[in-house]
Amino acid sequence: DAKTTQPPSMDCAEGRAANLPCNHSTISGNEYVYWYRQIHSQGPQYIIHGLKNNETNEMASLIITEDRKSSTLILPHATLRDTAVYYCIVKGSGSRLTFGEGTQLTVNP
Amino acid sequence: SQTIHQWPATLVQPVGSPLSLECTVEGTSNPNLYWYRQAAGRGLQLLFYSVGIGQISSEVPQNLSASRPQDRQFILSSKKLLLSDSGFYLCAWSVFGVLYTEAFFGQGTRLTVV
Repeated sequence: DAKTTQPPSMDCAEGRAANLPCNHSTISGNEYVYWYRQIHSQGPQYIIHGLKNNETNEMASLIITEDRKSSTLILPHATLRDTAVYYCIVKGSGSRLTFGEGTQLTVNP
Repeated sequence: SQTIHQWPATLVQPVGSPLSLECTVEGTSNPNLYWYRQAAGRGLQLLFYSVGIGQISSEVPQNLSASRPQDRQFILSSKKLLLSDSGFYLCAWSVFGVLYTEAFFGQGTRLTVV
């Protein structure tokens, strides 16, 4: 599975959009991009996934560049409850699922 | 619907004592099962994963072992705990054999070795 690179931390003002970047320059053709988040002392929660098209659900939007070497998770109107560690993961058809260090997003009032 | 149970929620154990953490999944068959450990302020480290009964893949040589005695049961064990085994342990499951699948996590066990 391809390795991902994320900034260790980011800040965002409440009500503004939070844009979390992820670099996955070694991604291969059948690997999906997944995003999870982990609120303190809880298990990670799935947010969204994509292959090559942009995706949107009730939680977030995922923008994947045309060359698929990077992606951005967008929380359109961040709230204080969105403060969490966000993990970007690239995974293919195998069962192994690994997480990196993620990005600590802090939403400030 | 599927659910995952992990217990206990917290555990304090002396150095050198044994460990057994259990995870069970309901509402699905033949899931992939995972054990992760998270040190304070760090990301999740994959410890073991399993694609079927008795099939365990170990990611990191360590003081721990895992077993899958039944399809939906995953057990993390140690014969003698070390101080460095302290951490937040998470069990997860995902659907077996499909390209896309999300993972579902338990609530975790916070282990403190004293």
